[in-house]
Amino acid sequence: GQNIDQPTEMTATEGAIVQINCTYQTSGFNGLFWYQQHAGEAPTFLSYNVLDGLEEKGRFSSFLSRSKGYSYLLLKELQMKDSASYLCAVMDSNYQLIWGAGTKLIIKP
Amino acid sequence: GAVVSQHPSWVICKSGTSVKIECRSLDFQATTMFWYRQFPKQSLMLMATSNEGSKATYEQGVEKDKFLINHASLTLSTLTVTSAHPEDSSFYICSARRLAGGHTGELFFGEGSRLTVL
Repeated sequence: GQNIDQPTEMTATEGAIVQINCTYQTSGFNGLFWYQQHAGEAPTFLSYNVLDGLEEKGRFSSFLSRSKGYSYLLLKELQMKDSASYLCAVMDSNYQLIWGAGTKLIIKP
Repeated sequence: GAVVSQHPSWVICKSGTSVKIECRSLDFQATTMFWYRQFPKQSLMLMATSNEGSKATYEQGVEKDKFLINHASLTLSTLTVTSAHPEDSSFYICSARRLAGGHTGELFFGEGSRLTVL
């Protein structure tokens, strides 16, 4: 079956760095997405990786290793507004998005 | 970036009535739109994939006669919840895929519609 695993919850301190991991097993691979979702709101797109390596976008970076079925989202210089759920999703061979359950990130002062 | 507009944001209706939710891609053409449902503290669940000019593809367990999807143009898809009941109360979100250079492209999400059925 298809499966996306990510930690349920993480806690970090304001100004610090946090890495949210995502491992996946899917039928085919057409890219991996990271989304941020604040409570009660729709997800917003953060990053898309289809090739191995690190994609940096401001304070957020995303890494992909297709051979390992592994990705991480790195958040630097954490701010209180970064408290949210972070969703990992993989697009399979049928171009369907397979969603992880999300990682709730709690930022403490 | 690309914009997807979803309307209405909030809707409260009586049990047994029907509710229509619109999803529009404002500045790009979307041949494919997706409809999701999210219950509190749960992940997004894909309900159906909507392709312009053809019938929607529903995920297992989603009643196609209850959740009517129409994708009549390249910029508009609608979800109609027919004969709504309290258990249909949820957060409904649409997304549209913008193809870029033949790649899989990005997904852009609407703002979401919170449906409460009394």
